[in-house]
Amino acid sequence: EAQVTQNPRYLITVTGKKLTVTCSQNMNHEYMSWYRQDPGLGLRQIYYSMNVEVTDKGDVPEGYKVSRKEKRNFPLILESPSPNQTSLYFCASSLLGAGGYTFGSGTRLTVV
Amino acid sequence: AQSVAQPEDQVNVAEGNPLTVKCTYSVSGNPYLFWYVQYPNRGLQFLLKYITGDNLVKGSYGFEAEFNKSQTSFHLKKPSALVSDSALYFCAVSSPPGGTSYGKLTFGQGTILTVHP
Repeated sequence: EAQVTQNPRYLITVTGKKLTVTCSQNMNHEYMSWYRQDPGLGLRQIYYSMNVEVTDKGDVPEGYKVSRKEKRNFPLILESPSPNQTSLYFCASSLLGAGGYTFGSGTRLTVV
Repeated sequence: AQSVAQPEDQVNVAEGNPLTVKCTYSVSGNPYLFWYVQYPNRGLQFLLKYITGDNLVKGSYGFEAEFNKSQTSFHLKKPSALVSDSALYFCAVSSPPGGTSYGKLTFGQGTILTVHP
């Protein structure tokens, strides 16, 4: 089944403790992206990647890192999480130029 | 910079009546436009997209959307609403190949659709 898989689905952590949210897609898509969803703000793009080793900042990149060493994986790294990063996070992938993005099921992160 | 506006935070409609969820956009060049739906505690599901061609686009679950270039709008419509259509709807825009924001998908803030029995 074609899908984007995120792990974990739920995560509670403490301020300052590094964490990684994984994202993997099995559709050979070039494009991958991370979004955070907050009430009243919709989805805001954190980082995106047009292909392996090609990443760029989205609208809200502060406090986040990403890497794209393989085409299928695009992990989101929070080096020192803070409470304002408590949010619902989505990973998405797409064939460039084709439109139609496939989203993962989301990761609900709480930083206390 | 590209942007999307969904002017209504909430839309309420009676079952069986037509529904419209509004969306306007701003982007350099010709837009790629999308509608997604999110049910509670679920991810986003793709409904439909406009890339080029016919201004009326048909999508999943009986939804359709009309692209209006002069008004820079892409309103989502359905002729007869169902209670099961109640969800959070997002409009999104991206640039075509060669555009300054090619590959970047920008979302509106979302509209909560409630269909009453």
